[in-house]
Amino acid sequence: DAMVIQNPRYQVTQFGKPVTLSCSQTLNHNVMYWYQQKSSQAPKLLFHYYDKDFNNEADTPDNFQSRRPNTSFCFLDIRSPGLGDAAMYLCATSRDLRIGRTNQPQHFGDGTRLSIL
Amino acid sequence: DQQVKQNSPSLSVQEGRISILNCDYTNSMFDYFLWYKKYPAEGPTFLISISSIKDKNEDGRFTVFLNKSAKHLSLHIVPSQPGDSAVYFCAASASQMNYGGSQGNLIFGKGTKLSVKP
Repeated sequence: DAMVIQNPRYQVTQFGKPVTLSCSQTLNHNVMYWYQQKSSQAPKLLFHYYDKDFNNEADTPDNFQSRRPNTSFCFLDIRSPGLGDAAMYLCATSRDLRIGRTNQPQHFGDGTRLSIL
Repeated sequence: DQQVKQNSPSLSVQEGRISILNCDYTNSMFDYFLWYKKYPAEGPTFLISISSIKDKNEDGRFTVFLNKSAKHLSLHIVPSQPGDSAVYFCAASASQMNYGGSQGNLIFGKGTKLSVKP
């Protein structure tokens, strides 16, 4: 089945030690998103790629960066994780940015739960 | 300030009865609304959506109603089944640029945890 796959499912890192989370998709979608979700909170968009064009949300900390080397893969890099970065990180894809116009929803992976020691 | 609000953190319903989950939004430029279901340790799964040009969309046991004048939408599940027990997220997006957010960005509510008891 076409899917959005996130690896690893659980990641533990040390305070200040860089960490990379990965996402791959077989849907051949143009857009890939990274969301952060803290406990009992709404998922919050960090940034997205439309093809190779990167769009950073205004309030995303500089500590968070992303790479999309090809259509299928997208990475979330946290340069110096702090305790406040412990969260579930969700990757999502969509065919187009204007999901309402195309009636194509975003599809999510199962997430990576990041813990900071 | 939350643009999408789900004011009930939890809801408990008896199997076979109707579940009604509510969602309110503040930005009048939102034109597409979605409901996602999330089981523990899994990502959100798309359930049903509605465009702002409609006031109702139905898919099997799931119906979403949109009241634009009240900026309110609801998800009805009937009949409710124990397998429906999950967290339900309401989300909204705007297809236009310059609405105050990124085009296509989903703005989520905090979710409502539905428990369907046998």
